[in-house]
Amino acid sequence: DAGVIQSPRHEVTEMGQEVTLRCKPISGHDYLFWYRQTMMRGLELLIYFNNNVPIDDSGMPEDRFSAKMPNASFSTLKIQPSEPRDSAVYFCASSLAKNIQYFGAGTRLSVL
Amino acid sequence: AQSVAQPEDQVNVAEGNPLTVKCTYSVSGNPYLFWYVQYPNRGLQFLLKYITGDNLVKGSYGFEAEFNKSQTSFHLKKPSALVSDSALYFCAVRDDSSASKIIFGSGTRLSIRP
Repeated sequence: DAGVIQSPRHEVTEMGQEVTLRCKPISGHDYLFWYRQTMMRGLELLIYFNNNVPIDDSGMPEDRFSAKMPNASFSTLKIQPSEPRDSAVYFCASSLAKNIQYFGAGTRLSVL
Repeated sequence: AQSVAQPEDQVNVAEGNPLTVKCTYSVSGNPYLFWYVQYPNRGLQFLLKYITGDNLVKGSYGFEAEFNKSQTSFHLKKPSALVSDSALYFCAVRDDSSASKIIFGSGTRLSIRP
């Protein structure tokens, strides 16, 4: 398996624009997690899914953030409208039965 | 509620010396414990885990961790550090209930000097 695949690797956008981050989990994994990493706040869990259903979105910072998992092989994290304080590295991870999580390489988002 | 603490932001060790990265946890049930490593511009990589069994767990790259129930600790160790071990290390915990989620610590930056 190629592992967890995230796209794009880098995203530069202007304040107010919509940003969509994409994730393909490892085939057969039933959990998918979205994290955000910044120097100030460290690694934060934003939301996680089990069998494509959102289980806990308490980490989503505000209504500008939304996440979907339309099928077992694809998830998106959308920010609309984006703000400079959203600049961070966003990671997607997947696991089988909430055990070992396998992380993607991340998307580095810069909002100008 | 579950929590995990990594009391050191940075650990500096000379190459060839033993290293320890500290982690303490708090859970209401039985703990599942993990260590991950993050190299620059990469995602986190799994190193090792403890669920049940031997208190000393061996993992990738020569790392091991010791589970201590009475001290609620799960310190990461390596007998002889390499410069290539320099990275950011995360401890993570969840309890054994089906509803719990994994909580990551704040991370410890390990720096190995030649």
